[in-house]
Amino acid sequence: DTAVSQTPKYLVTQMGNDKSIKCEQNLGHDTMYWYKQDSKKFLKIMFSYNNKELIINETVPNRFSPKSPDKAHLNLHINSLELGDSAVYFCASSQDWSEQYFGPGTRLTVT
Amino acid sequence: KQEVTQIPAALSVPEGENLVLNCSFTDSAIYNLQWFRQDPGKGLTSLLLIQSSQREQTSGRLNASLDKSSGRSTLYIAASQPGDSATYLCAVRPYCYFGAGTRLTVKP
Repeated sequence: DTAVSQTPKYLVTQMGNDKSIKCEQNLGHDTMYWYKQDSKKFLKIMFSYNNKELIINETVPNRFSPKSPDKAHLNLHINSLELGDSAVYFCASSQDWSEQYFGPGTRLTVT
Repeated sequence: KQEVTQIPAALSVPEGENLVLNCSFTDSAIYNLQWFRQDPGKGLTSLLLIQSSQREQTSGRLNASLDKSSGRSTLYIAASQPGDSATYLCAVRPYCYFGAGTRLTVKP
């Protein structure tokens, strides 16, 4: 069973479109995260939710909006996609501040 | 603001060597530090989590140490193998800030 899963794995879309990436964890964790890994492979935190409450909100354009319908899910919606949004997006989860477990990533390509 | 630095950026060693990867951070007020490996095109695999109150953690051939006061952590890999080739990343909490990683190549 996959602990942290993301869909889709690959996403190719045109500039200006709106898209969503979904994340689900079956570990019973109370904290979930979204990270962006750019072309230079640098991993940067975007958002973190604890029990459906936003606890980390880094400097990210307003076009990015996380949504946590419940503790097991954290989705990322991106409006008006730009070329610079092309990256790999990783979801992760943990119980409080303990060990983080990462999903396989979603490779977003904006053309 | 917390900054995390990993040195060296890349490392190439022959099989069987013991090696040390370094991670430094600027703000010592951390909860814990976690080491990961990332294989090309893959997600991150957790290796070791070391709490701020701990000095070291061990798992198999891996040993991580933490010196909070000096803002440093090291990951020691004993008897390296070609399968250890990957990028190694460290992350500090609660900020969830990552270093840029060390790309390790172990040559047979």
